[in-house]
Amino acid sequence: EDKVVQSPLSLVVHEGDTVTLNCSYEVTNFRSLLWYKQEKKAPTFLFMLTSSGIEKKSGRLSSILDKKELFSILNITATQTGDSAVYLCAVENDYKLSFGAGTTVTVRA
Amino acid sequence: DAGVIQSPRHEVTEMGQEVTLRCKPISGHNSLFWYRQTMMRGLELLIYFNNNVPIDDSGMPEDRFSAKMPNASFSTLKIQPSEPRDSAVYFCASSLVAIRGSPLHFGNGTRLTVT
Repeated sequence: EDKVVQSPLSLVVHEGDTVTLNCSYEVTNFRSLLWYKQEKKAPTFLFMLTSSGIEKKSGRLSSILDKKELFSILNITATQTGDSAVYLCAVENDYKLSFGAGTTVTVRA
Repeated sequence: DAGVIQSPRHEVTEMGQEVTLRCKPISGHNSLFWYRQTMMRGLELLIYFNNNVPIDDSGMPEDRFSAKMPNASFSTLKIQPSEPRDSAVYFCASSLVAIRGSPLHFGNGTRLTVT
């Protein structure tokens, strides 16, 4: 069975801190790994990663994939209170996305 | 782009009643997914449609759950009869060509409470 494990489950930081979120996976027929941000409503797409070692960046967020060690990290630098959310990692297998339990990030002013 | 539209936003019903959740995917997307999210189990895939045809319904928990997609712009998820353990947020999501190269876009969800 496909498995996606995120760590830590939650963390609390202060504005300006850097956050690193982890996602490890076991899946057959891996196609891609995706990161989503979920605030009070629907998950919103952040990144899609398909190749090892290529960093994707969007503003203060960045992510990288290691297909040999089967994990990905999501970094958030200079955190702001608006970064408070649940960050979900998902792995695509054929057509299906399997989600991790998420990491709850709380950024305090 | 209106995004994926779900209705109702909230549904409160009594055990045993029928519940119907509705979804309008993004125009042009040919894949549609129903997910359920709970604190205990996170996001779980219930069923996947491609070109209006159900491809994988292995995540549908029981026969009480059924889903239809009569055309490319509309899908329903029905629970009959509903039970308290069905309480969750139900998300509909759509993508182009079954995700490959295209991320999933989620609706805002329907929060279902069964008392």
